[in-house]
Amino acid sequence: AAGVIQSPRHLIKEKRETATLKCYPIPRHDTVYWYQQGPGQDPQFLISFYEKMQSDKGSIPDRFSAQQFSDYHSELNMSSLELGDSALYFCASSLVSGSYNEQFFGPGTRLTVL
Amino acid sequence: DAKTTQPPSMDCAEGRAANLPCNHSTISGNEYVYWYRQIHSQGPQYIIHGLKNNETNEMASLIITEDRKSSTLILPHATLRDTAVYYCIVRVAGGTSYGKLTFGQGTILTVHP
Repeated sequence: AAGVIQSPRHLIKEKRETATLKCYPIPRHDTVYWYQQGPGQDPQFLISFYEKMQSDKGSIPDRFSAQQFSDYHSELNMSSLELGDSALYFCASSLVSGSYNEQFFGPGTRLTVL
Repeated sequence: DAKTTQPPSMDCAEGRAANLPCNHSTISGNEYVYWYRQIHSQGPQYIIHGLKNNETNEMASLIITEDRKSSTLILPHATLRDTAVYYCIVRVAGGTSYGKLTFGQGTILTVHP
């Protein structure tokens, strides 16, 4: 079965650079979520989109922005990168009209800021 | 979403049942209990969910107490591959506004030979 695809899997950036993370949800899923997991921490919700509109927002820095496109893939744009942005970034997708809105996670993008 | 409390770590022998408890004493009537797990640095994986009845699927069983203030996830025959962090999450099901998962401190389950 198709799963959530994230690219790139690994990314190394310098401080103050920008980064773009991509997420391709499971086909026919209409909702995408982004989570950040710092070293030794639990995943923290950043933002979500339903049918290409922002549906919820968590503790996402102003330096970050995201959107969902017409083909339902999503991109997380991160600017003015800081050392503290080094983390695993997970994307998850779900079908809101499905049974109980289970979320299916991708393998994550490991971002390292030097 | 209701707060949950889980033991920080548990051990289990391979082939034995692993019983992971979760307390959610402030759960509301419309909130479900979800369980996810995260194997080292992989994306979290959905396991099971329930409202008030016991549930079973190919991965696990979920036992919810009658007052719904606590639950237990049961892995009937634990294997080494079940070593992971297990998260108990309580939230309203469905609807875009309630879709986010709030991960608290989970239980690190270590299955040993």
